[in-house]
Amino acid sequence: AQSVSQHNHHVILSEAASLELGCNYSYGGTVNLFWYVQYPGQHLQLLLKYFSGDPLVKGIKGFEAEFIKSKFSFNLRKPSVQWSDTAEYFCAVRGDSSYKLIFGSGTRLLVRP
Amino acid sequence: EAGVAQSPRYKIIEKRQSVAFWCNPISGHATLYWYQQILGQGPKLLIQFQNNGVVDDSQLPKDRFSAERLKGVDSTLKIQPAKLEDSAVYLCASSLEPSSGNTIYFGEGSWLTVV
Repeated sequence: AQSVSQHNHHVILSEAASLELGCNYSYGGTVNLFWYVQYPGQHLQLLLKYFSGDPLVKGIKGFEAEFIKSKFSFNLRKPSVQWSDTAEYFCAVRGDSSYKLIFGSGTRLLVRP
Repeated sequence: EAGVAQSPRYKIIEKRQSVAFWCNPISGHATLYWYQQILGQGPKLLIQFQNNGVVDDSQLPKDRFSAERLKGVDSTLKIQPAKLEDSAVYLCASSLEPSSGNTIYFGEGSWLTVV
């Protein structure tokens, strides 16, 4: 069965600091990987996704993530965060057999102005 | 393009009462999902429909939860009787055919408080 681990539950940064959120998954086959963001009071929105090809994927708002197959990881990065990045970030994985989208427990990011 | 619509947005009920949530997916999306998101946790898949058939309901507490998608478009999720631990946000999502290339889009959610 597939599963997703997000190790950082809460992260607090100052504006302009760099961000890296960890995500590890467990699944034996081919996977699709996603990062979703949920701003306060809003619905889940897709930040970026990896299906195949270049393991470094770029998303909206300056976010990027790197798929490292040997480490079963898909960490999210942003070189310089802004106050408006304050949100909850969810990593998700979908296996190629069931197409079920499984979420991690989320990381709450607070960016101080 | 209209997104995934859900109603009601907020509901407060007493334990042992019943509640129903409605979802209208994005037009043309054959796959519909219901997720439960408890505060502080990631969304958990309850049930997945492909058109009007159930693909996966392995995590749906079938003694109290039911869901249907009779005409392959709108869907309802019902809880009867509700328990305190059912307090959560119920998210509906939809996508085109569940192949690897399709993104899943989420509605704003229905917030349930059971008291």
